[in-house]
Amino acid sequence: QVQLKESGPGLVQPSQTLSLTCTVSGFSLMDYSVHWVRQPPGKGLEWMGRMKYDGDTYYNSALKSRLSISRDTSKSQVFLKMNSLQTEDTAIYYCTTRGGYNPFAYWGQGTLVTVSS
Amino acid sequence: EIVLTQSPTTIAASPGEKVTITCRASSSVSYMYWYQQKPGASPKPWIYDTSKLASGVPNRFSGSGSGTSYSLTINTMETEDAATYYCQQWSSTPLTFGSGTKLEIK
Repeated sequence: QVQLKESGPGLVQPSQTLSLTCTVSGFSLMDYSVHWVRQPPGKGLEWMGRMKYDGDTYYNSALKSRLSISRDTSKSQVFLKMNSLQTEDTAIYYCTTRGGYNPFAYWGQGTLVTVSS
Repeated sequence: EIVLTQSPTTIAASPGEKVTITCRASSSVSYMYWYQQKPGASPKPWIYDTSKLASGVPNRFSGSGSGTSYSLTINTMETEDAATYYCQQWSSTPLTFGSGTKLEIK
């Protein structure tokens, strides 16, 4: 079955770079796009960007200057890198993919990233 | 960017009560999607293509709307329906979510 799992450091210092990995199973990254969505504690959801199945990327313009999404299809992994982190980047980071007509049918468990010195 | 405005922000309903959550878009969208999220859990797909229920969603839920105005309705509230509901559009990028409606049991 389709599964996604985020991994990465739980704590990042201000001004540093965040690196997260989304490891997927049950589908091929060459068939389905993977998106990143984040959620600050107690707040709503923000779409960050996507790695399309054909390798194309698209970013939320609010984050575009700091964000990079890449992948390794042989390892079924999608990577997120975001630089110049600030405290407001503290959030749960999710990777998600579509299923049928649902754009975000499958979600990872999320990984909490805290930006703090 | 299409801004989605949900109302109310918070609502409390008694079991058996009818509940309606509204999502208004700043520009017309083709479809609306809804997600349910409970504390400590990832969001779950709830309604897609405006009115179709995701797998496992009870049929007391329904979705409707068009253009810039959409809604999610619970015909008869049950305790398990207490959660936060988010609307989402992907008619244009960036994909955007509403700010959420927290539904509590009274």
